[in-house]
Amino acid sequence: GQQVMQIPQYQHVQEGEDFTTYCNSSTTLSNIQWYKQRPGGHPVFLIQLVKSGEVKKQKRLTFQFGEAKKNSSLHITATQTTDVGTYFCAVVVLRQKLVFGQGTRLTINP
Amino acid sequence: DAGVIQSPRHEVTEMGQEVTLRCKPISGHNSLFWYRQTMMRGLELLIYFNNNVPIDDSGMPEDRFSAKMPNASFSTLKIQPSEPRDSAVYFCASSLGANQPQHFGDGTRLSIL
Repeated sequence: GQQVMQIPQYQHVQEGEDFTTYCNSSTTLSNIQWYKQRPGGHPVFLIQLVKSGEVKKQKRLTFQFGEAKKNSSLHITATQTTDVGTYFCAVVVLRQKLVFGQGTRLTINP
Repeated sequence: DAGVIQSPRHEVTEMGQEVTLRCKPISGHNSLFWYRQTMMRGLELLIYFNNNVPIDDSGMPEDRFSAKMPNASFSTLKIQPSEPRDSAVYFCASSLGANQPQHFGDGTRLSIL
């Protein structure tokens, strides 16, 4: 069954606009990881969040872990064409394996 | 440092043929994962190994699929016989542990005619 719900499935923005993708779970998570996959490429690890309420930044990207550790978000400020791709969250299931969300596909109009 | 190395990068073959995909994980990583990615089903975990031992193969679609990891530096995913619905991109990934950040190879783009 679905371990984590990621929304939206698709997002199209104008270059310079902000973008946010959300990841939601019905169970408390031990940690959450975010990956980016460029068109035609492979998923690349971006960051891991572990602590309740944690916020981490990577340049224009801001990652948040919810206080209850059941949800997370990735926010991109002032998107650029290099941000195009699919963003995945991934969560640990039963301490054994990583399960990926369905991903949010971001396209940008230059 | 070399990343995860997969071969071949592309494979086109006729249905019924045997297909073997290969993966060399990053040295020192003890977890290895095989994924399949399609537009319809997204990124699916097929099987993963920890210290060369298969831990969870619940994602393997059916008996036509098999995976081996004879040593810490090599793994194969085999499809026999192949079918057109097996067409997808197959990724191999490795990590320091089953729930640690994963490093993906470039993938094998498989087309079964």
